[in-house]
This record gives sequence, structure tokens and C-alpha cells, in this order.
Amino acid sequence: QSVLTQPPSASGTPGQRVTISCSGSSSNSGTNYVYWYQQLPGTAPKLLIYRNYQRPSGVPDRFSGSKSGTSASLAISGLRSEDEADYYCAAWDDSLSGVVFGGGTKLTVL
Amino acid sequence: QVQLVESGGGVVQPGGSLTLSCTASGFTFSSYAMHWVRQAPGKGLEWVAVVSYDGGNKYYAGSVKGRFTVSKDNSKNTLSLQMGSLRAEDTAVYYCARGDSSLRPHFDYWGQGTLVTVSS
Repeated sequence: QSVLTQPPSASGTPGQRVTISCSGSSSNSGTNYVYWYQQLPGTAPKLLIYRNYQRPSGVPDRFSGSKSGTSASLAISGLRSEDEADYYCAAWDDSLSGVVFGGGTKLTVL
Repeated sequence: QVQLVESGGGVVQPGGSLTLSCTASGFTFSSYAMHWVRQAPGKGLEWVAVVSYDGGNKYYAGSVKGRFTVSKDNSKNTLSLQMGSLRAEDTAVYYCARGDSSLRPHFDYWGQGTLVTVSS
């Protein structure tokens, strides 16, 4: 049972827009920044979104992040086959004094 | 360019110990917090520990507290994770990841990972 809650799976067709949610509490996503990671099969995770909605250089603007209250979302527009991966949200948790991850969402491009 | 290279993984018996290392290059190591994150086979990411930029503050996941010790040698650009009282559930790929100047999970660079297998 992960501290941050994500749907286990999501899917979409090429060109579609998909959204992945991440729900936490006041001690983590409610008061701290949320980060998003993409993990392609057999590779280390890659930072996609930092500080709720900021994109590192090199990350396409098809990826966007948002946060409202204790929930955050990752949106991927113009879905492409190479977006098929696992996606994780993360945040610092003040009560646990540590980093918490979501359980991960497996995105399938149909 | 930033590089993080983990080493020290392998097979260890339950109750045993192992030390992982992460050698950093391409950035000012002493300016960044460093984290360990692990991933059990077929499972999601689990944060393990963080050490602050100066090595003065350390925090651990509840699942490893009291058994694992993280350390940072800014003179050698090396991050270490001493693991003791190992259990089967510690079996995972262990990644070191660069944080930022705080303790936030801003992991902008990751190592390739090193596999630890706890088995008799």
C-alpha cells in the first residue's frame, strides 16, 4: 500500500490525451512539491516533472503537471507509442520524514 | 557530463551484510543531497535513504531504519549504503540518484542500478 495513490493502469490511442492521477495527504502532496518520473522497460527512471508542473530541459511539452490540494496529475497529450512506460509520482512526507512514491501507473498505447 | 555509477551488488545470505557504493562525476558532489532508491523485481520504486549535501542529515525509510546506513564522502565523490540484517524482501535493484540542495525527491540523474539478491 503506497502512501501516494495512483491508478495501476492507463491507456490511450496515438494522438489522444491521457491523465494520470496521484492522490496523497496533507503531509506530503498537500504541502510539498510533487515530482513525476517515467520508467521505460529495463531502464532507470527519468525525471519528467518537478515542483508540480516544471519540465526539465529536453522533456517535450506534451507532458504537463498540475496540482490541486492533495492531488496531482500528469497529462500526456498527443500520445505516442514511445510513451508506453511506467509513471511514478513522488513527494517528501513531513510526517514520515522521507520520500514517498506512488505505486506506479503502467501506460499502454493501444 | 553527470555520471553516477553504482557497484557492490551481489548475492548475500539472509542476515548478512553488504555495502553499495555510488561514484559520482561531472558535478560538484558536495552541493547535492544524494538518495538511494530501490526496485524489487517486477515492483514499483521504493525510496530507501537520503543524505544531505554536507552529510550532516540522514533520513531512512521505515523498512530499513536501524539496518541500513547511508554516508557521503565529499572528498572522494562517493555515496555509500551499508546494509545489514538483510532480508529476502531487500532483494532489489538499488539506484543512487542525485537530489537537489534540499531533501526533496528531485532526482535529475540516476545511476544504472546494482542488483542485490538476498537468498540462501
